[in-house]
Amino acid sequence: DTGVSQNPRHKITKRGQNVTFRCDPISEHNRLYWYRQTLGQGPEFLTYFQNEAQLEKSRLLSDRFSAERPKGSFSTLEIQRTEQGDSAMYLCASSPRDRGTYEQYFGPGTRLTVT
Amino acid sequence: GIQVEQSPPDLILQEGANSTLRCNFSDSVNNLQWFHQNPWGQLINLFYIPSGTKQNGRLSATTVATERYSLLYISSSQTTDSGVYFCAVESDRYSSASKIIFGSGTRLSIRP
Repeated sequence: DTGVSQNPRHKITKRGQNVTFRCDPISEHNRLYWYRQTLGQGPEFLTYFQNEAQLEKSRLLSDRFSAERPKGSFSTLEIQRTEQGDSAMYLCASSPRDRGTYEQYFGPGTRLTVT
Repeated sequence: GIQVEQSPPDLILQEGANSTLRCNFSDSVNNLQWFHQNPWGQLINLFYIPSGTKQNGRLSATTVATERYSLLYISSSQTTDSGVYFCAVESDRYSSASKIIFGSGTRLSIRP
């Protein structure tokens, strides 16, 4: 297993455009998380899935953001009508459920720049 | 929601020195992890340690859940240890954004 992968690694877009990011978790990990990280800050939780069910959504996840995990495997995060404030690193993590533990493993992130 | 504070915010050391990083949290947690974020932004798992003590080479960590803190020890520092160290906690007592919280990190710089 090669770990969590994210695509694209970098995305530059113009304000008002829609963007979509993909995350492929470690196989057989049933939990998948999305975070956002801005410069100099720790990652901020956005949402997570257990299998295909989206169980928690942060208030940070405005109506312009939507995440899916249709078959309980990969996930997509879409941002509609991007704003300059959306510029950040978007991180994905996955975790197994093993005797009640949720150790998270992170992907390399997608860096979004909105011009 | 739960509050997570890390100290010190910045630490500059000479190669070979030892260091202790601290993470305080304001409520009971069921998950605590330490990560190292390298200069390329990759978050690397160091320890999953909601309680007790673990060691991995030059690194060790201790979490005292009843007193709501965790410590990360780095011995014989190397320049490759440079980067930002994050503590992250998860608590089932909260929902949404309060559920999984990262501290603001300790930026460690090791000078040759």
